[in-house]
Amino acid sequence: RKEVEQDPGPFNVPEGATVAFNCTYSNSASQSFFWYRQDCRKEPKLLMSVYSSGNEDGRFTAQLNRASQYISLLIRDSKLSDSATYLCVVTAYSGAGSYQLTFGKGTKLSVIP
Amino acid sequence: DAGITQSPRHKVTETGTPVTLRCHQTENHRYMYWYRQDPGHGLRLIHYSYGVKDTDKGEVSDGYSVSRSKTEDFLLTLESATSSQTSVYFCAISESSVYGYTFGSGTRLTVV
Repeated sequence: RKEVEQDPGPFNVPEGATVAFNCTYSNSASQSFFWYRQDCRKEPKLLMSVYSSGNEDGRFTAQLNRASQYISLLIRDSKLSDSATYLCVVTAYSGAGSYQLTFGKGTKLSVIP
Repeated sequence: DAGITQSPRHKVTETGTPVTLRCHQTENHRYMYWYRQDPGHGLRLIHYSYGVKDTDKGEVSDGYSVSRSKTEDFLLTLESATSSQTSVYFCAISESSVYGYTFGSGTRLTVV
């Protein structure tokens, strides 16, 4: 089983739509959770951290369910500029006092005019 | 944005030649990482560093070595480049390994 699994998409949605991405992770000892955004031929950029209580940043809402080992990202009122690949990222202890991030392969979103 | 630069941005090299990629940061972050990104595989960790001269292997370290002689520089060397090492290489930095990373702009390496 892959460590971090995401639906690869693509998700093609019209402007103004609400879209949800899901992610599951296999390591129950995972500590921290993030969503990254990656534009075509660019580096990944941190979109938001994900907290157990759920958190919101403008049109973006992230949820974490530790019992089910499941993370979600909801985007409301989609904009053309939201078109990108969204990466689910999980951190776990890797020894020597260090943690490592494990990346999902990403879900591609295309917002259509 | 955090100060992190990668060089070169693009490189074409021949099979069997050594190649060194450089990652330079101005943030004084302790942790530095090298990833490669390939279609169908996502981002995979090659090597990482948790301090000067302190490095460790990631999941795809074969054929790669790293060095970190200063806090600000993390070098990735392909000892004898192969076509399977054609990829986009990203460097990342982090103040604390439990936090999210900041990535450099990437190096596109083609081995012919």
